[in-house]
Amino acid sequence: GQQLNQSPQSMFIQEGEDVSMNCTSSSIFNTWLWYKQDPGEGPVLLIALYKAGELTSNGRLTAQFGITRKDSFLNISASIPSDVGIYFCAGYTTNAGGTSYGKLTFGQGTILTVHP
Amino acid sequence: SQTIHQWPATLVQPVGSPLSLECTVEGTSNPNLYWYRQAAGRGLQLLFYSVGIGQISSEVPQNLSASRPQDRQFILSSKKLLLSDSGFYLCAWIRTDFLYGYTFGSGTRLTVV
Repeated sequence: GQQLNQSPQSMFIQEGEDVSMNCTSSSIFNTWLWYKQDPGEGPVLLIALYKAGELTSNGRLTAQFGITRKDSFLNISASIPSDVGIYFCAGYTTNAGGTSYGKLTFGQGTILTVHP
Repeated sequence: SQTIHQWPATLVQPVGSPLSLECTVEGTSNPNLYWYRQAAGRGLQLLFYSVGIGQISSEVPQNLSASRPQDRQFILSSKKLLLSDSGFYLCAWIRTDFLYGYTFGSGTRLTVV
């Protein structure tokens, strides 16, 4: 099925460093989401993006909806140890009749490790 | 506020045994409901989704089935488990207008032995 290309697959950084990850798709989405998943837990929504070009922040997190609607990035500033986990991008469309209507497509995830 | 409950949290089942995982949503009505499976901590695969009571769509052929007997209840089942059914199963919901993103349950870790 459809998949998003998420990169990098993993990151090992020092506490205090900034992090950047991105997702690209061959299809257009009209909604992009970024999730964080801790081990043994379900993904938790970090940021939702609804409009092409939209730039949204949530604390130290900033995400943007690409202008082509085929990509998105997530930045984490001044990382802390509790930022460790797997970060997923996800996209879907709300246009009835589209093949991805209402169905969330996920990237493969970025595993983030933060060294104190 | 809306909450989603999923149980059990962990399950160890022998090959050939039946399966029933339950998911319920509170604080909303007529949600769209989804079952996902996650293997090896990466990549979520959509298994089933439902837009209403008794309405089930299957995304991939497999040894599993889903049912929605009530508006806010979604059940994942199998008559005979296979080793390949092991994984982390996640239930999710979203409003019918698809606003505010998908909310996931805490997951069920299924190990078939």
